[in-house]
Amino acid sequence: GAGVSQSPRYKVAKRGQDVALRCDPISGHVSLFWYQQALGQGPEFLTYFQNEAQLDKSGLPSDRFFAERPEGSVSTLKIQRTQQEDSAVYLCASSLATPGTYGYTFGSGTRLTVV
Amino acid sequence: DAKTTQPTSMDCAEGRAANLPCNHSTISGNEYVYWYRQIHSQGPQYIIHGLKNNETNEMASLIITEDRKSSTLILPHATLRDTAVYYCITQKTSYDKVIFGPGTSLSVIP
Repeated sequence: GAGVSQSPRYKVAKRGQDVALRCDPISGHVSLFWYQQALGQGPEFLTYFQNEAQLDKSGLPSDRFFAERPEGSVSTLKIQRTQQEDSAVYLCASSLATPGTYGYTFGSGTRLTVV
Repeated sequence: DAKTTQPTSMDCAEGRAANLPCNHSTISGNEYVYWYRQIHSQGPQYIIHGLKNNETNEMASLIITEDRKSSTLILPHATLRDTAVYYCITQKTSYDKVIFGPGTSLSVIP
């Protein structure tokens, strides 16, 4: 597709429920990133993939957060046993793995509300 | 922590140039300066990037000081649609993780 697609656009989860957020990057983009954005804050890095390899997961806030990209294209961010503090917009971005090229292309995000 | 510092907010009159400053005094020689903006309820959008030379595209101009310790993003004729949060970041490659700061909230006033 022409851009990065994220689904669902909005998700309401009851506390304790598991959720799965999907990201379809731009075709051919090797790098894929997940960010978490709380209201009024800048995006916070969660994790990074190069193809199917998860090279950096230092930003995942707890072991309830898990991300995968098994075939090097679509990625899923899973949050187990959701808590109210998980409420945020989750942004996915992809990029070419070439220095000095255009920056990330972000999706519109998934707004997760835990009630 | 973000490696750049930006003013928290700025106002600009519609039709005038908006000049958004950014300090990146610890930038290393192989790091690029990238600018993004985020309009309410959307993901950040790439605007422009540069290494040493000034750059211009259809959206904006980027002026980087000779010592590369600061830069200015220029929107030559600001419109109401330019109201957004503008993020300045430094990055070695497009696959480095980006650390976003709080950015500058630009309000374009009619």
